[in-house]
Amino acid sequence: DAGVTQSPTHLIKTRGQQVTLRCSPKSGHDTVSWYQQALGQGPQFIFQYYEEEERQRGNFPDRFSGHQFPNYSSELNVNALLLGDSALYLCASSLGGSIRETQYFGPGTRLLVL
Amino acid sequence: GQNIDQPTEMTATEGAIVQINCTYQTSGFNGLFWYQQHAGEAPTFLSYNVLDGLEEKGRFSSFLSRSKGYSYLLLKELQMKDSASYLCAVRWTTSGTYKYIFGTGTRLKVLA
Repeated sequence: DAGVTQSPTHLIKTRGQQVTLRCSPKSGHDTVSWYQQALGQGPQFIFQYYEEEERQRGNFPDRFSGHQFPNYSSELNVNALLLGDSALYLCASSLGGSIRETQYFGPGTRLLVL
Repeated sequence: GQNIDQPTEMTATEGAIVQINCTYQTSGFNGLFWYQQHAGEAPTFLSYNVLDGLEEKGRFSSFLSRSKGYSYLLLKELQMKDSASYLCAVRWTTSGTYKYIFGTGTRLKVLA
């Protein structure tokens, strides 16, 4: 039973560049959520995808966008990178609509913006 | 607004019991989760409470009081490998779907 996978594991970019992060959900899950976790902080919710549509969004600017594919995998895109975007980006998958919906996290992508 | 508070750091001794508290203010409460996160790794799911009371899972137990906006995670027979950050997260419903808010985490140090 494959867990949540993310790629790449690490990434270094410079200010102003664009980045795409990828996530494959746990087998049987159809909902993907993305989080940003700065050092020493808890994860901050970016957005959630279900049935290929953005279902919920946190307080992040439009520079953060995403996509979900028919196989439930997802991408997070960040444009015009800022130094403050340096963080661990976590993907979490769950089975949408379940009353006991529990999120399972992937290993994360550590992004460094120079 | 939605808010979660938990202590920043705690220290305990191997073999002891430790209780990590979490208080929250939220509308549309729909469940409280505890995650363990080792440094540099992703959070791993520990427990889930949606009704008042105690949920026990081996050495870990979690308690919820919805009327008080309060939860705790109890770790028994502490082991060195329990040194990690413990995240409290609340799920709340909005517009027919769920959102999650996480606390900043409690960093637990287990000493020999």
